[in-house]
Amino acid sequence: DVKVTQSSRYLVKRTGEKVFLECVQDMDHENMFWYRQDPGLGLRLIYFSYDVKMKEKGDIPEGYSVSREKKERFSLILESASTNQTSMYLCASSWTGGTGELFFGEGSRLTVL
Amino acid sequence: GESVGLHLPTLSVQEGDNSIINCAYSNSASDYFIWYKQESGKGPQFIIDIRSNMDKRQGQRVTVLLNKTVKHLSLQIAATQPGDSAVYFCAENEGGADGLTFGKGTHLIIQP
Repeated sequence: DVKVTQSSRYLVKRTGEKVFLECVQDMDHENMFWYRQDPGLGLRLIYFSYDVKMKEKGDIPEGYSVSREKKERFSLILESASTNQTSMYLCASSWTGGTGELFFGEGSRLTVL
Repeated sequence: GESVGLHLPTLSVQEGDNSIINCAYSNSASDYFIWYKQESGKGPQFIIDIRSNMDKRQGQRVTVLLNKTVKHLSLQIAATQPGDSAVYFCAENEGGADGLTFGKGTHLIIQP
């Protein structure tokens, strides 16, 4: 069974803290994505990566960075968390040359106090 | 920008009735469409997909209809059950490297 695993389901952090959200997929997918999901705004793309060490900005990259050192792992980093980054974060992956179907993790709910 | 939209943020149906969730898209070049289901506290899960060379595709209790003339996509759920309560998203593949474009979602509420 294919799987995208997000390491933390729930996190509570303080303003100014550095936050790491980890995502691992076991499907050998080339493409990985980070979205945030907020009520009324739907899914918004933060960053994506189509290969190891490659990254591309999505629609809302400000305040975030990413790291892809290995094909199976894509990390989202909040250098200095702020309260407006309180959200549900979703990681997804897909196969290059496929239909474009995204496989999602269970999500990481981050609260910044 | 947003190119995939939904007509209703919330849809309430009686248990046992059929549900129809609608979605409009604007990119006529999109060649693939998906419906996802997201239950509370979980990530989106694939329900059914359809390619642009098809008008209709059926799964178990679900049917997706694609009308390319008016750029409209719908998801029909037959005999709605309590377990169908979730947010449903349509998504289209516009062919870009940045993956799918998502609608904002319709929250399906099942009334007993």
